[in-house]
Amino acid sequence: KNEVEQSPQNLTAQEGEFITINCSYSVGISALHWLQQHPGGGIVSLFMLSSGKKKHGRLIATINIQEKHSSLHITASHPRDSAVYICAADPYTDKLIFGTGTRLQVFP
Amino acid sequence: GAGVSQSPRYKVTKRGQDVTLRCDPISSHATLYWYQQALGQGPEFLTYFNYEAQPDKSGLPSDRFSAERPEGSISTLTIQRTEQRDSAMYRCASSPGRDNEQFFGPGTRLTVL
Repeated sequence: KNEVEQSPQNLTAQEGEFITINCSYSVGISALHWLQQHPGGGIVSLFMLSSGKKKHGRLIATINIQEKHSSLHITASHPRDSAVYICAADPYTDKLIFGTGTRLQVFP
Repeated sequence: GAGVSQSPRYKVTKRGQDVTLRCDPISSHATLYWYQQALGQGPEFLTYFNYEAQPDKSGLPSDRFSAERPEGSISTLTIQRTEQRDSAMYRCASSPGRDNEQFFGPGTRLTVL
């Protein structure tokens, strides 16, 4: 069993739909990162959080430390949101443990 | 600089050759990370630097892999006697310090024939 697991692995949506991607981890962490990998391969950091909730535009990330679970939500999804979304756990060591990613496709 | 840069962007080499990959982090960023990403997988940690110190190199797959950051800015990752299984995307990231957001470079795609 991987220390960081994401679900679903693949997700398709119609433009405008509300999207949720889940991340569960089995280690104690100092922070949880959400990253976006573009179709061209570049990786962009979306959020780093250690408690509660963060919001940036249409993206919302939440984390429940007790349940070792985080979610990434996208409101009013758009085709340009199509990408691979990766969560990564920092187990107090700066040695991030990455999930395998969720491939999202949003169709117009 | 404006962002993290890596060179070369693509490298094709023959098995047994040595390769050196370069990472130029955001200026003033103290911490620099190297990751290996196989096709269809998430990145995997290789090593990191705090300035020129290398506190953790436990992710390096073998002693053929080494990394340097002699002046605390630019870093190189060297793979000696490359093998086909070394083919992957090698990503560098930098951050202002530990426990901070990481900024990723575009990666170097290495193909070992």
